[in-house]
Amino acid sequence: DAGITQSPRYKITETGRQVTLMCHQTWSHSYMFWYRQDLGHGLRLIYYSAAADITDKGEVPDGYVVSRSKTENFPLTLESATRSQTSVYFCASRRGVNTGELFFGEGSRLTVL
Amino acid sequence: AQKVTQAQTEISVVEKEDVTLDCVYETRDTTYYLFWYKQPPSGELVFLIRRNSFDEQNEISGRYSWNFQKSTSSFNFTITASQVVDSAVYFCALSADSGNTPLVFGKGTRLSVIA
Repeated sequence: DAGITQSPRYKITETGRQVTLMCHQTWSHSYMFWYRQDLGHGLRLIYYSAAADITDKGEVPDGYVVSRSKTENFPLTLESATRSQTSVYFCASRRGVNTGELFFGEGSRLTVL
Repeated sequence: AQKVTQAQTEISVVEKEDVTLDCVYETRDTTYYLFWYKQPPSGELVFLIRRNSFDEQNEISGRYSWNFQKSTSSFNFTITASQVVDSAVYFCALSADSGNTPLVFGKGTRLSVIA
């Protein structure tokens, strides 16, 4: 089906482990984003990408790594997970950087024990 | 820097009441875009509206209406005759032509509509 999909939807891991959250979109949108949602903080931008091989930091990038070798994929990696990274992660895409609305995936709930 | 403030953390209303969700933004850019998103209990984020900074006309879509006032840097959202299905977290967001953060969200307002 067309759209933006995230996997896994739910993940439990332990402190210090590496975790990768996957994001795939079928619209060929140039821009892709990763946000985390935490109670009391709303949605905060982690990283975004303007095109394949172009990424940039957002508001809260520490502890995260991204890559974008293909336009349709934008994985987010926690190289050594910490409890403070327990959150719901949303991937999003849009055609342009500022003008269009974001299309969000369904979210990935990550728990770090 | 861009900033969005949603001062109302939680609002509770009785069904059929009207309710207004406040959104105040800050930006130095003259060209910018404002958005509202809805997050129902199921968790997905649903786009509701986009408004650019040069269009100050209010907009109405069914029971939803938006009041954009540049003079007070506000983009308020009103639900008329609220229904239980309107219960959700509502986010206001800002996107400007400059800056490193493409879309900045407020912290959200949780609306509970009681039958």
